[in-house]
Amino acid sequence: DTAVSQTPKYLVTQMGNDKSIKCEQNLGHDTMYWYKQDSKKFLKIMFSYNNKELIINETVPNRFSPKSPDKAHLNLHINSLELGDSAVYFCASSQDRGTYNEQFFGPGTRLTVL
Amino acid sequence: RKEVEQDPGPFNVPEGATVAFNCTYSNSASQSFFWYRQDCRKEPKLLMSVYSSGNEDGRFTAQLNRASQYISLLIRDSKLSDSATYLCVTWNSGNTPLVFGKGTRLSVIA
Repeated sequence: DTAVSQTPKYLVTQMGNDKSIKCEQNLGHDTMYWYKQDSKKFLKIMFSYNNKELIINETVPNRFSPKSPDKAHLNLHINSLELGDSAVYFCASSQDRGTYNEQFFGPGTRLTVL
Repeated sequence: RKEVEQDPGPFNVPEGATVAFNCTYSNSASQSFFWYRQDCRKEPKLLMSVYSSGNEDGRFTAQLNRASQYISLLIRDSKLSDSATYLCVTWNSGNTPLVFGKGTRLSVIA
């Protein structure tokens, strides 16, 4: 059973389009995250939600909007896609916040903006 | 200055070799430290936590030097399957996110 799953795995789209990436975890974790890994392999936090509440919102363009319908799901919607948005987007989850808990990552969504 | 710095490599070593990676961090408030492993085109996975007293897990040994703000990972008797990128990671506290280094790439050659 996949612990953290993401769809789609690959996403190729034109500049200016709007797209969504979905993430689900079946670990019963309270906290979920979105990370971006760019072409230089630098992995950077974008957002974190705890029990559907936004707790971390790093400096990310407001074209990116996360949505957490319940604590097992954290989706990422991106408006007006730009070339620089091309990257691998990883979803992750951990048991809770406060103390460190291991983060489990999904397989990633490879986004290519043409 | 980047918050977590690592030599990107690649480190190309023969099977059976011992290899060491280093990492420095700039935030003296960092409380917890980890090594994650990321295989090519895969997600990162926790390899091991790093404790002040140093810790070992099989062929892997991690060390932390808080005074110098320096973390290391030693891999003994390298296997082909150790080929991956090793990410040095720090964590502060509370709601702060994990901070990842760019990773050090290791290729173990037969």
